Amino acid sequence: QKEVEQNSGPLSVPEGAIASLNCTYSDRGSQSFFWYRQYSGKSPELIMFIYSNGDKEDGRFTAQLNKASQYVSLLIRDSQPSDSATYLCAVEGSGGYNKLIFGAGTRLAVHP
Amino acid sequence: DTGVSQNPRHKITKRGQNVTFRCDPISEHNRLYWYRQTLGQGPEFLTYFQNEAQLEKSRLLSDRFSAERPKGSFSTLEIQRTEQGDSAMYLCASRGTGYSSYNEQFFGPGTRLTVL
Repeated sequence: QKEVEQNSGPLSVPEGAIASLNCTYSDRGSQSFFWYRQYSGKSPELIMFIYSNGDKEDGRFTAQLNKASQYVSLLIRDSQPSDSATYLCAVEGSGGYNKLIFGAGTRLAVHP
Repeated sequence: DTGVSQNPRHKITKRGQNVTFRCDPISEHNRLYWYRQTLGQGPEFLTYFQNEAQLEKSRLLSDRFSAERPKGSFSTLEIQRTEQGDSAMYLCASRGTGYSSYNEQFFGPGTRLTVL
């Protein structure tokens, strides 16, 4: 079992729709969770982080965390073609030094 | 530009050659991470520095890989006797100290290595 799992996609949504991206993790000791966006050929860019159970909203983005189910999700409202990218879920390892453990990413395609 | 910088941005080398990459973190950040990313995968942790001390190395970091951060500022990652399997994007990230609202790791643009 991989430590952080994501569906590879592609997830295709029409412009203006809600895109829902999901992630599960195996380390119950993990406390910090991140969503990075990565455009092709570029480095990851942080878009959301969440530490507490529940929802966290930032603009069009909402991160959801359920530690009991070891599940993190990202909702993108009013999806735009510019949101088309790979979304990486990252979990801060519980073993110290705050290294990030990434999933393989989900490719999102927003079509006009 | 006050972000993380990496040089070179691209490196093409022949199998068996040695290569060295450089990372300059955000100036006030004392924590520095190296990751490697291959096509279709997320970044994988390679090694971590706190100031000049290398505190953690992944099993992925074979004996051919060595990293340094001699004065606690910039870091270098050297790969000796490169193999085609070393072809990847090498990412550097830095992070500040202490607890704050943000414990974000800021990534540099990466160095793309191609081993022929």
